[in-house]
Amino acid sequence: AQRVTQPEKLLSVFKGAPVELKCNYSYSGSPELFWYVQYSRQRLQLLLRHISRESIKGFTADLNKGETSFHLKKPFAQEEDSAMYYCALSGRPGGYQKVTFGTGTKLQVIP
Amino acid sequence: DVKVTQSSRYLVKRTGEKVFLECVQDMDHENMFWYRQDPGLGLRLIYFSYDVKMKEKGDIPEGYSVSREKKERFSLILESASTNQTSMYLCASREDSWGYTFGSGTRLTVV
Repeated sequence: AQRVTQPEKLLSVFKGAPVELKCNYSYSGSPELFWYVQYSRQRLQLLLRHISRESIKGFTADLNKGETSFHLKKPFAQEEDSAMYYCALSGRPGGYQKVTFGTGTKLQVIP
Repeated sequence: DVKVTQSSRYLVKRTGEKVFLECVQDMDHENMFWYRQDPGLGLRLIYFSYDVKMKEKGDIPEGYSVSREKKERFSLILESASTNQTSMYLCASREDSWGYTFGSGTRLTVV
């Protein structure tokens, strides 16, 4: 079975402080991992993918297979980063792709 | 620039009614998905389809069915709506190895 765990429901940080949103996964094969973001009253959208190794809006995430983690990080939080963040894992149980989401972490950046 | 369209943003239905939620994508994706989003539970997969007339159960298919007669359209059906199906319903489509494109969601209230 594939599983994604986001241990924090709410993370509050001050503007300018570093941010780390935690994500741990369980999967027996080679996973594809994603971070999605949902800003207030907007649709859920892809933030970044682990295979791209990119930085989007200052956010990065590194896949750590040893710790089975894919934490989302940003060195200096901005007010516009306040949103709901979901970690997701794409695997192939039974031969077809299946994406499992975590329960989400609400990031609140305090001015 | 809208690529995944859900026909209704808000719906109010009575217990026992048959409810249809429609989703259309214009990206020629083969894979389409229906999730429900609930606070504290994240996104849970109801059904998905990887081809026309093909469907697979997700994690919580009970009380739901789906229809995919054309590639661009994926419908979610609540056979007999119940109050515990009050939720935000999200449709998504996906190209392999890429992230989802989500619709804006349908907030269904069953009274």
